[in-house]
Amino acid sequence: DAGITQSPRHKVTETGTPVTLRCHQTENHRYMYWYRQDPGHGLRLIHYSYGVKDTDKGEVSDGYSVSRSKTEDFLLTLESATSSQTSVYFCAISESIISSTDTQYFGPGTRLTVL
Amino acid sequence: QKEVEQNSGPLSVPEGAIASLNCTYSDRGSQSFFWYRQYSGKSPELIMFIYSNGDKEDGRFTAQLNKASQYVSLLIRDSQPSDSATYLCAATTGGFKTIFGAGTRLFVKA
Repeated sequence: DAGITQSPRHKVTETGTPVTLRCHQTENHRYMYWYRQDPGHGLRLIHYSYGVKDTDKGEVSDGYSVSRSKTEDFLLTLESATSSQTSVYFCAISESIISSTDTQYFGPGTRLTVL
Repeated sequence: QKEVEQNSGPLSVPEGAIASLNCTYSDRGSQSFFWYRQYSGKSPELIMFIYSNGDKEDGRFTAQLNKASQYVSLLIRDSQPSDSATYLCAATTGGFKTIFGAGTRLFVKA
């Protein structure tokens, strides 16, 4: 998984509780991404980061926030989890955003269930 | 809404046959195209990327790109049961916004 770990790998939580997912990389890549994957949908971008403390929204960012205080760590927080956020969450990294070096590599994923 | 479309399948082929997976994209500005393989319960893993029109071969895999038709395909020669997985097509214009298709399930029968 290209030097990417995610924690926890599985989590069950209740509606209304805050949840934080962690992505850690050892590749020293500048760019990091959070996706969710649901049946019938492709991977959908939640948030991304282009450097320490530099983040921006993706297409499905409502209800999520992120932080990146170190190059290697990218945190995804669900402020108040809802059942619609039950999903598999993948972190990805890329070396750049320029064609030929913009390949994204994925972490192992976190399966989140919100009851 | 920029989209990447794939037939969800399942596509079933016998062992040893050629599997052909297809993908269309809507954004003419797309520059880079990727094929990922995803086994059930696992993360996507990169098979190939292609940037230029034409064919690109890597072992048993060949990616084909036709920008005029906005079409990308992946051919898997000598298909093996271990190739049974979901194949994701992705397109990017560069920048941060890579669009993924929902994937095609491939089943290779022994």
